[in-house]
Amino acid sequence: GESVGLHLPTLSVQEGDNSIINCAYSNSASDYFIWYKQESGKGPQFIIDIRSNMDKRQGQRVTVLLNKTVKHLSLQIAATQPGDSAVYFCAEITAGNQFYFGTGTSLTVIP
Amino acid sequence: GAVVSQHPSWVICKSGTSVKIECRSLDFQATTMFWYRQFPKQSLMLMATSNEGSKATYEQGVEKDKFLINHASLTLSTLTVTSAHPEDSSFYICSAFTSAQETQYFGPGTRLLVL
Repeated sequence: GESVGLHLPTLSVQEGDNSIINCAYSNSASDYFIWYKQESGKGPQFIIDIRSNMDKRQGQRVTVLLNKTVKHLSLQIAATQPGDSAVYFCAEITAGNQFYFGTGTSLTVIP
Repeated sequence: GAVVSQHPSWVICKSGTSVKIECRSLDFQATTMFWYRQFPKQSLMLMATSNEGSKATYEQGVEKDKFLINHASLTLSTLTVTSAHPEDSSFYICSAFTSAQETQYFGPGTRLLVL
């Protein structure tokens, strides 16, 4: 996997609103994508994944959208709660199982 | 989901000492484990890729003699920070890759503070 140590962009949303976190990926050969959630002081946790033969996948309160034309991935969180405050990373995975992580977005939910 | 543990969770040590961090996949076998370093408010930085039974592959700029990695079994990888200095203070996270699910599962991280 690869990643870049950059300062994270931030997103603040009001509790109850929907959140949209975006991720651009670079490798057209990537065929699998994962969103991870990292709470402060903890390791990243798997949230949801999607394969390149799909353009949408829904989980509990989360939806991942994949636009292969523009190489864009998004994570939508419905009815955002304070417990959703965390850093969210996307990962693109190639057929050779190479992982490439996005820089992450820090989500803050305002009560 | 798969569980990955790290031990210890916290380490505070004096400058010059060596610190060993263990990463274990608890309910699956991991052919590959990754070691990351993370500074506050920053993303993960891959340090090295560790394959069971072979030498680790280090990323550019990571000193292999400074950060010793041993992947003794399909469920255990260790990272030893040798002669730690204050600039090595960081959050170290491992992940274990399962080919069955093509997914990396992360450990909870180890926070290292070198005084």
